[in-house]
Amino acid sequence: KAGVTQTPRYLIKTRGQQVTLSCSPISGHRSVSWYQQTPGQGLQFLFEYFSETQRNKGNFPGRFSGRQFSNSRSEMNVSTLELGDSALYLCASHHGGAGNEQFFGPGTRLTVL
Amino acid sequence: AQSVTQLGSHVSVSEGALVLLRCNYSSSVPPYLFWYVQYPNQGLQLLLKYTSAATLVKGINGFEAEFKKSETSFHLTKPSAHMSDAAEYFCAVSPSTSGTYKYIFGTGTRLKVLA
Repeated sequence: KAGVTQTPRYLIKTRGQQVTLSCSPISGHRSVSWYQQTPGQGLQFLFEYFSETQRNKGNFPGRFSGRQFSNSRSEMNVSTLELGDSALYLCASHHGGAGNEQFFGPGTRLTVL
Repeated sequence: AQSVTQLGSHVSVSEGALVLLRCNYSSSVPPYLFWYVQYPNQGLQLLLKYTSAATLVKGINGFEAEFKKSETSFHLTKPSAHMSDAAEYFCAVSPSTSGTYKYIFGTGTRLKVLA
């Protein structure tokens, strides 16, 4: 069974631009979560989607948004990029109860210049 | 609110020595607890999880962790460190009663294994 895939793996953008990251969960998983990982803040929860609905959102500005499609693939978008948005963005997929683990993709490394 | 504290952002051990990575949690409801490992330029891989079935949990690669409710701890141990264990380790907590899969992560512990 294929794991969680994220595209692209690396991105370089400049301040003010916008970016879209993509995540394909494990087949059959309907929940997708996004996390931002930085050296200073560690792993921070962005949002979670389940069956195309956002179920939970972290404490990030409105520039960060996401969506999920009917095939459970998810995208996140960051508009008006800032230097501080440089990070590793991780996507995780999940199925079943809360005691089941999340499966993480390799991440997208975003660098904002 | 839930939180996770990992004591020691960097831990160094000699090859063959005991590995002990500390994790303390705060949760108002019975939590689910997880340990993940991250190798450079990779995502997170599950080592083990606690879901209330047993307080001593065995995971992959010889790691285990013990849930101690009285101490609100879930420390990760391995009897004998191997060079391949060098990585960053994250403890995470998730509430058992909500319908969401939001994890709260600790700040991570980078393990260095000395030859």
